[in-house]
Amino acid sequence: AQSVSQHNHHVILSEAASLELGCNYSYGGTVNLFWYVQYPGQHLQLLLKYFSGDPLVKGIKGFEAEFIKSKFSFNLRKPSVQWSDTAEYFCAVKASNTGKLIFGQGTTLQVKP
Amino acid sequence: GAVVSQHPSWVICKSGTSVKIECRSLDFQATTMFWYRQFPKQSLMLMATSNEGSKATYEQGVEKDKFLINHASLTLSTLTVTSAHPEDSSFYICSARDGRAHQPQHFGDGTRLSIL
Repeated sequence: AQSVSQHNHHVILSEAASLELGCNYSYGGTVNLFWYVQYPGQHLQLLLKYFSGDPLVKGIKGFEAEFIKSKFSFNLRKPSVQWSDTAEYFCAVKASNTGKLIFGQGTTLQVKP
Repeated sequence: GAVVSQHPSWVICKSGTSVKIECRSLDFQATTMFWYRQFPKQSLMLMATSNEGSKATYEQGVEKDKFLINHASLTLSTLTVTSAHPEDSSFYICSARDGRAHQPQHFGDGTRLSIL
C-alpha cells in the first residue's frame, strides 16, 4: 500500500539555522509530490509541488525540495529559517494509479528567535 | 489564489445529533472534493473523494451511512455526520481541486467537531 513517512516529528531550530525535513514514500510508479505547511490556526497551504522535469523544486518563502527517485525521497530544505517558519509541515504523495493524496505524519517545526 | 471555505469552524453538540459541514470553493469550480479527518498530532486521513454529480468514493473503514457526502454542485460539497457519538469528535478538513491537469488541492480551514 502507498505510504508516506516523515522522519522528524518535532524539530527545534534557532533563527538562521538550515533546515532539512525528510520525506520518503513507498510506491514504485509515477508520483506527484507536495509539501504543505500549516501555520498555527490556519489552513494547509501549498509550499511546493513536483510533477515532472527538474527534480529540484523551488517553492514559496525560500523553500525548496529535491526529488530523488532512486531513494523514493522528497526532502524539504531551507538554508536559513526564520521565526515565522514555525508551523506544521506535511509531505504528501499522489500516486498515478489511485489519484489519492496520502499525507505523512507531519513535522512540527519550532524556530526560536 | 484559490480559496476554499469551510463552515462551521467549530461545533459542539450532543450525542445522537447529526451535524452538517459545508465546503465551498469560492473562486474556482471544484470538480473533485476530498474529505479528511485529522486526529490530534496525527496526519490527515482521507475519508472520501467526491466528484460533482456522482456518488462519493469512500476509503476502506469509513462508514458510508455514518458520513454522508453530497457534492451537488461545482462549488459545494457537504459532509453530514449522522447520529454523532463522542468517538466521532475530530478535526474534519475538506479540500477541493479543479479539473485541470497538475492542479494541487486547496484546503479549507477545517471544522472541529466535539460530541458531548
